[in-house]
Amino acid sequence: GENVEQHPSTLSVQEGDSAVIKCTYSDSASNYFPWYKQELGKRPQLIIDIRSNVGEKKDQRIAVTLNKTAKHFSLHITETQPEDSAVYFCADIAGNMLTFGGGTRLMVKP
Amino acid sequence: DGGITQSPKYLFRKEGQNVTLSCEQNLNHDAMYWYRQDPGQGLRLIYYSQIVNDFQKGDIAEGYSVSREKKESFPLTVTSAQKNPTAFYLCASTPGTASNQPQHFGDGTRLSIL
Repeated sequence: GENVEQHPSTLSVQEGDSAVIKCTYSDSASNYFPWYKQELGKRPQLIIDIRSNVGEKKDQRIAVTLNKTAKHFSLHITETQPEDSAVYFCADIAGNMLTFGGGTRLMVKP
Repeated sequence: DGGITQSPKYLFRKEGQNVTLSCEQNLNHDAMYWYRQDPGQGLRLIYYSQIVNDFQKGDIAEGYSVSREKKESFPLTVTSAQKNPTAFYLCASTPGTASNQPQHFGDGTRLSIL
């Protein structure tokens, strides 16, 4: 089955710094890559997504890049704020099934 | 998303008991999904349904059962065969069955063993 690897598992940054989370996937048929933010005890919330015909997408302080040849995609958060602290999950879709990475706990220190 | 309602928010199961988690959506979405999340872990797919009266197993279907008698409802039963049911259960839906649509999640049900 599909496998999505996410790194790092924890990430601590100073407020105002950038944070980068990376994911790799195995199924070359994957064509959709969403990123979710999950606060403690709450549901995952979609924060940005990218489709396979695009190499980069940006939304204010958040950007996602996709390298289909290398089968990896990354989440970039600039000018981090304490409210960015949460667990972030990458995912991909292959054959109508969404496969999640293991998650990254991001801590932004004020 | 307010369109997906999961109940109850907390549930306790006794040994040998089956329990059913409710998931209702008023988004008119075709596809619905159930995930299990263990502490500090990612989400794993239990079952999904792309159309009424049809559903498929996900990666960890053993010990669980589902039904899809109505488009808006996709209940999950945790059977006594599931020996380690303690987890956070999330229901999700997508508008159609195309493979490039974001999933909308409910608020989850936290299940524990008494």
